[in-house]
Amino acid sequence: TQLLEQSPQFLSIQEGENLTVYCNSSSVFSSLQWYRQEPGEGPVLLVTVVTGGEVKKLKRLTFQFGDARKDSSLHITAAQPGDTGLYLCAVFRGGADGLTFGKGTHLIIQP
Amino acid sequence: NAGVTQTPKFRVLKTGQSMTLLCAQDMNHEYMYWYRQDPGMGLRLIHYSVGEGTTAKGEVPDGYNVSRLKKQNFLLGLESAAPSQTSVYFCASRPSTDTQYFGPGTRLTVL
Repeated sequence: TQLLEQSPQFLSIQEGENLTVYCNSSSVFSSLQWYRQEPGEGPVLLVTVVTGGEVKKLKRLTFQFGDARKDSSLHITAAQPGDTGLYLCAVFRGGADGLTFGKGTHLIIQP
Repeated sequence: NAGVTQTPKFRVLKTGQSMTLLCAQDMNHEYMYWYRQDPGMGLRLIHYSVGEGTTAKGEVPDGYNVSRLKKQNFLLGLESAAPSQTSVYFCASRPSTDTQYFGPGTRLTVL
């Protein structure tokens, strides 16, 4: 069973549209991170959410942590081709352990 | 400040051959990690290190060995490569905060 379930797996939309992708779990987390990965590169951290119900904004990207700290969403307003990439959510395994990742959402923004 | 670098970028091996992947970071980070990324599986933790001279197993350690003789370097070894080890390998490092910094990856093909 996957700890973090991301949906949709693939999403292709036109430039200017809005979209939301999800990261869900049955477990409770102390924090959750979102990364973006572009082809041929490593993931880059976008945001860390810590408090239940927390909302963080990064330009046109809005991240929300669920009230129960089991899920999170990423909303993009007026998507642009530069938003194209693989969006990954991740949580710490505990202590000094590394991250556990979801399988990601492949996002393509067409001009 | 180069961040996290990985060598080589690409490698093709025959089944049974051995090789070592090198990860170097110039940020004086204590923690270092090796992940593998496979289609449909996301990123999975292989091994990690919490400081010079220490290593620990992650989620998928079988078939791999690691060493951290110097703080800035984390080596991942494959003693007898198998086709199942065909993957993209990412190294990451982090300070005491939660942000992990990833390298650009090594694409390994085992024939």
